Amino acid sequence: HSALTQPASVSGSPGQSITISCTGTSTYLTDYLYVSWYQQHPGKAPKLIIYEVSNRPSGVSNRFSGSQSGNTASLTISGLQAEDEAYYYCNSYISDNTWVFGGGTKLTVL
Amino acid sequence: EVQLVESGGDLVQPGGSLRLSCAASGFTFSTYWMTWIRQAPGKGLEWVANINQDGAERYYVDSVKGRFTVSRDNAKNSVYLQMNSLRAEDTAVYYCARGPDDDSSAYRSWGQGMLVTVSS
Repeated sequence: HSALTQPASVSGSPGQSITISCTGTSTYLTDYLYVSWYQQHPGKAPKLIIYEVSNRPSGVSNRFSGSQSGNTASLTISGLQAEDEAYYYCNSYISDNTWVFGGGTKLTVL
Repeated sequence: EVQLVESGGDLVQPGGSLRLSCAASGFTFSTYWMTWIRQAPGKGLEWVANINQDGAERYYVDSVKGRFTVSRDNAKNSVYLQMNSLRAEDTAVYYCARGPDDDSSAYRSWGQGMLVTVSS
């Protein structure tokens, strides 16, 4: 049972926008603005796409954006493309230099 | 270019031990936290352990406390994960990752991962 809850799956058609939520079971998402998001294609290592809630690393498409409202962080992907089909994981600092990942969300591009 | 190369993954019997290594290059290793993250087959990512720049601070997920030990050798640009009393549920691909980085509180760089299988 993860301390961060994500939907198991989301789907969308090419060109559409989707949002993946990440809800904390405690207050650490509001106590610490240290939410990051990772994209993982099958058989590959995860890739950082959003850090500190809403910042994009250099080289990541601006179709990816992050936000947070209360104890829920969100990843939005606009203009869906076939290559966006992957698993997405949120990660947050919880306390005492320990961190936790959400359970992961499978994005299907229809 | 940042590179993290893991080694040491293997098939081991329950109750056995294994030491994973991660060799880093392309950055000043001694100035970064390092983290181990694992992924059981068909499952999500699980944060396992991290270690600060000089090795004085080490933190673990509850399920491995007392069994796993993270360490580093800054002279060799390497981080290690000593795994003892292994259980079937420790079977996973283990990734080493740089971070959390001070400037992002995230893991910008990951190794390719290596499989650890605990089975009789």
